[in-house]
Amino acid sequence: GESVGLHLPTLSVQEGDNSIINCAYSNSASDYFIWYKQESGKGPQFIIDIRSNMDKRQGQRVTVLLNKTVKHLSLQIAATQPGDSAVYFCAENAGGTSYGKLTFGQGTILTVHP
Amino acid sequence: KAGVTQTPRYLIKTRGQQVTLSCSPISGHRSVSWYQQTPGQGLQFLFEYFSETQRNKGNFPGRFSGRQFSNSRSEMNVSTLELGDSALYLCASSREGGTSQPQHFGDGTRLSIL
Repeated sequence: GESVGLHLPTLSVQEGDNSIINCAYSNSASDYFIWYKQESGKGPQFIIDIRSNMDKRQGQRVTVLLNKTVKHLSLQIAATQPGDSAVYFCAENAGGTSYGKLTFGQGTILTVHP
Repeated sequence: KAGVTQTPRYLIKTRGQQVTLSCSPISGHRSVSWYQQTPGQGLQFLFEYFSETQRNKGNFPGRFSGRQFSNSRSEMNVSTLELGDSALYLCASSREGGTSQPQHFGDGTRLSIL
């Protein structure tokens, strides 16, 4: 469905903690998912992606988990740093003829305290 | 490798005017997608172009249009501007706009309507 960003969820953590950001997606036909990070004044920056034939994928300090049964996606950030403070978006592609079309979640504001 | 470039970064227009925004994709990327980002609606898909053809379109009025050139550069046009068109307009590119390909974003054009 369409993003309905209004009051964004917030997550506040201490530097060095692990962060978990959650996302519920709406379309059971979606087969590709991406996490983006957006800092103030910038466009969304690609973090990590996962296809629906996987349930976990790891990158540098980040892990994405996909639970298709409950249509849930999460992003885990290890040893969170102040530079990780940003808005995080999950995005999904419904496959088929959805060329170039991502549907975004509302976003989560992550604040990391030194 | 240069990222996605959007020009101009900022624009101020008045109601009723029209505006053209430009996007240069990452070298070698042939798909360009456009999104509108507002605090109230979040990130919403406008349209996608590949090989100078619009393959996908979001739920926006006909005042919003776009095109793509043979070098993959893209423009979007908004005619008869309304106050509600004030937003950050983001362009993203991917190799072929495939449904499992990551999109990479520019930093957007901030459009303000007075």
